Amino acid sequence: AQSVAQPEDQVNVAEGNPLTVKCTYSVSGNPYLFWYVQYPNRGLQFLLKYITGDNLVKGSYGFEAEFNKSQTSFHLKKPSALVSDSALYFCAVRDDNYGQNFVFGPGTRLSVLP
Amino acid sequence: SAVISQKPSRDICQRGTSLTIQCQVDSQVTMMFWYRQQPGQSLTLIATANQGSEATYESGFVIDKFPISRPNLTFSTLTVSNMSPEDSSIYLCSVMTGNHEQFFGPGTRLTVL
Repeated sequence: AQSVAQPEDQVNVAEGNPLTVKCTYSVSGNPYLFWYVQYPNRGLQFLLKYITGDNLVKGSYGFEAEFNKSQTSFHLKKPSALVSDSALYFCAVRDDNYGQNFVFGPGTRLSVLP
Repeated sequence: SAVISQKPSRDICQRGTSLTIQCQVDSQVTMMFWYRQQPGQSLTLIATANQGSEATYESGFVIDKFPISRPNLTFSTLTVSNMSPEDSSIYLCSVMTGNHEQFFGPGTRLTVL
């Protein structure tokens, strides 16, 4: 079965600095990988996905993520953080051997300090 | 993308009662899901709502407690039956589009007293 780990509960970064939110996964088949963001009292918003092709994928709001098959990772990155990026970030995986179900990581709370 | 609405947005209920949550999508979709999320925590899949057949439930969730309807490709309901305080949570509806993207409704925040 598939699983997702986000090793950091909380990430703090100063505004203007680069940010990284880590995600590792485990699947038996090919992974479909996703990042979602949740702002306070809001639903989840899709940021980006990796299905196939280029390992570096670009998404909404200037975010990007790099798929690393050997390290089974899909870290979310942004070159210059904004205070408005402060939110809860979820990594998710779908294993193409296990149908349509997504498995979500535990979430990482990002705080961007002015 | 898909635009999803849920009703109610929040409710406070007495234990032993039931609440039905509605999910409406602005386009026809095959895959529709119901999740539960404790505030600030991860999402747990309750079930996949299948159009024209019984929902597929994940381990730990049963039809008697969480009956689901899916009468057509744009609408689904989730009922939380015989509620207890442990059912207090945020319930999220989601759909998956043909390009593997999953979109979520705004959620229903349920408090059971």
